[in-house]
Amino acid sequence: GEDVEQSLFLSVREGDSSVINCTYTDSSSTYLYWYKQEPGAGLQLLTYIFSNMDMKQDQRLTVLLNKKDKHLSLRIADTQTGDSAIYFCAETPESTAGNKLTFGGGTRVLVKP
Amino acid sequence: DSGVTQTPKHLITATGQRVTLRCSPRSGDLSVYWYQQSLDQGLQFLIQYYNGEERAKGNILERFSAQQFPDLHSELNLSSLELGDSALYFCASSVRQGDSPLHFGNGTRLTVT
Repeated sequence: GEDVEQSLFLSVREGDSSVINCTYTDSSSTYLYWYKQEPGAGLQLLTYIFSNMDMKQDQRLTVLLNKKDKHLSLRIADTQTGDSAIYFCAETPESTAGNKLTFGGGTRVLVKP
Repeated sequence: DSGVTQTPKHLITATGQRVTLRCSPRSGDLSVYWYQQSLDQGLQFLIQYYNGEERAKGNILERFSAQQFPDLHSELNLSSLELGDSALYFCASSVRQGDSPLHFGNGTRLTVT
């Protein structure tokens, strides 16, 4: 079945690194995504990783994928107050038709000055 | 700015009424998706269209319907509205119907009173 799990909340001090974790169930997922949602706004695509990769780095963002454990993480280096938001991971299960994404419940990140 | 435009931003209506939400995809994107975001259900996939044809269906109620027009914009029609339909409705678009990232609009917040 399709199930994406995330922890609910993360508190971090400004300047520290944040690590947001996600587990998924569909091992056939081809792409895995991270989206950011600020209050009152839509979902902003942050980054994504193809399932044959272990790591992807994009400026302050590092995505790590452990396919064996079906674990995805997003590391934000030098976290800023503007990084306070809800972060969603999502997978594209191959078992489904089309390209629909299955989202986790979101992790609310609070950055304290 | 994701390039996906949704109107209206806010909609307040009464139970039993019918509303239409509109979405214009990013230039060049052929696939359109509709998602519902509520506090208790999280982000739920409703339906996907690709180049005018329905491609995948999720947890969409029979009271809801959608279509994608020849100019690729899409409309989501919600009828016989109930209090529980109050939510944020997102439209997203992607270039292809599979294996391409989804770009989300800012959503339409529907309040049913």
